[in-house]
Amino acid sequence: EVVLTQSPATLSLSPGERATLSCRASQSVSSYLAWYQQKPGQAPRLLIYDASNRATGIPARFSGTGSGTDFTLTISSLEPEDFAVYFCQHRSNWPLTFGGGTKVEIK
Amino acid sequence: EVQLLDSGGDLVQPGGSLRLSCAASGFTFSSYAMSWVRQAPGKGLEWVSSISGLGSPTYYADSVKGRFTISRDNSKSTVYLQMNSLRAEDTAVYSCAKDIVENSGSYGAWDYWGQGTLVTVSS
Repeated sequence: EVVLTQSPATLSLSPGERATLSCRASQSVSSYLAWYQQKPGQAPRLLIYDASNRATGIPARFSGTGSGTDFTLTISSLEPEDFAVYFCQHRSNWPLTFGGGTKVEIK
Repeated sequence: EVQLLDSGGDLVQPGGSLRLSCAASGFTFSSYAMSWVRQAPGKGLEWVSSISGLGSPTYYADSVKGRFTISRDNSKSTVYLQMNSLRAEDTAVYSCAKDIVENSGSYGAWDYWGQGTLVTVSS
């Protein structure tokens, strides 16, 4: 089973700042990594799939990079609606697994 | 508009059974793999099971293999999760999710999610 480790657990930033979230895989997942955003009481929202492809309707301030075992989600300039929890998830093989999440909170 | 409506969650005793349903609309249901993902209260996301558009193959997390069965009825645009031998650790909100890629078998990334249905396993 691929273990995904996200860091940091919590990121305290102000609106307008740049957010950099990390996801590290215990073994190579090639480019088969997705990022989701989740707000309290809501379903997850797909942001990025296959490491760097923005999902439909996702603003350009969200970008994903990486391959193999190291991945990054960058939010170039935080908007008030971006404060949420972010999860990475791989689809390289079965079972599919998620990272533990990074909470982006208002500083 | 794509909609996924989860239902069937309830309070059930350990060892009991429950069947969850997810009614889909707004897309060609049989062309997309579907999955169930759960989230225990205050915890992260856990993938549970996936099924291809035509009903086979199916895939399960080790934690539910042999106890849960995923199925679908394409004539009703509905996916099911039959849960048997339920344990306290199965307590979670269960959501169905639609694959982002059509006719992929099971792509394993999801662009639409149901609102979730709460399963509580407790005596």
